[in-house]
Amino acid sequence: QKEVEQDPGPLSVPEGAIVSLNCTYSNSAFQYFMWYRQYSRKGPELLMYTYSSGNKEDGRFTAQVDKSSKYISLFIRDSQPSDSATYLCAMAPRYSGYSTLTFGKGTMLLVSP
Amino acid sequence: GAVVSQHPSWVICKSGTSVKIECRSLDFQATTMFWYRQFPKQSLMLMATSNEGSKATYEQGVEKDKFLINHASLTLSTLTVTSAHPEDSSFYICSARVAGGYGQGGSEQFFGPGTRLTVL
Repeated sequence: QKEVEQDPGPLSVPEGAIVSLNCTYSNSAFQYFMWYRQYSRKGPELLMYTYSSGNKEDGRFTAQVDKSSKYISLFIRDSQPSDSATYLCAMAPRYSGYSTLTFGKGTMLLVSP
Repeated sequence: GAVVSQHPSWVICKSGTSVKIECRSLDFQATTMFWYRQFPKQSLMLMATSNEGSKATYEQGVEKDKFLINHASLTLSTLTVTSAHPEDSSFYICSARVAGGYGQGGSEQFFGPGTRLTVL
């Protein structure tokens, strides 16, 4: 079992839809959770990070962490064609100083106008 | 702020040659820089962690003699792929962590745009 599982998609939605992206993990040492957006042939861009269970909102994005289920989600409201990209979840254990990131494979999101 | 650049953005080389990739933090000092490799449709895999002024720490399975890392200053780290072979063709991405923290997290890594290496 891989440490971080993420459905590669692609996930196709119409403009304006609410998008739900998810990752599951097996390592209970993970305490730091991030979502990155990566456009084709570009480096990842940090969208959100959180250390705790619960929800964290930033504009159209909401990150949700359920440590008891080892499950994290990213919700995108009012999705736009410019949101079309690959979304990577990443997580790190506290013992590494939160520096050793383990990434999911990424979910490709396609938002059609 | 927190911009990381990489140079070159893409490189094509012949098998057996060496290639150097530079990673720079443009508007902040980075005590720690990370090098990742990403194959098509795969996740980023950490290759090594480099701290300014000390030797890099390599992940299991990464040949330190093949992938030479030099973190010469708080704003520059270089990755040299020595005697490159076609199987080294990949997307190499660096990231930098801000010295002393940034924002509320203090642990965020900011990624460069990546370097696509093709070895013929």
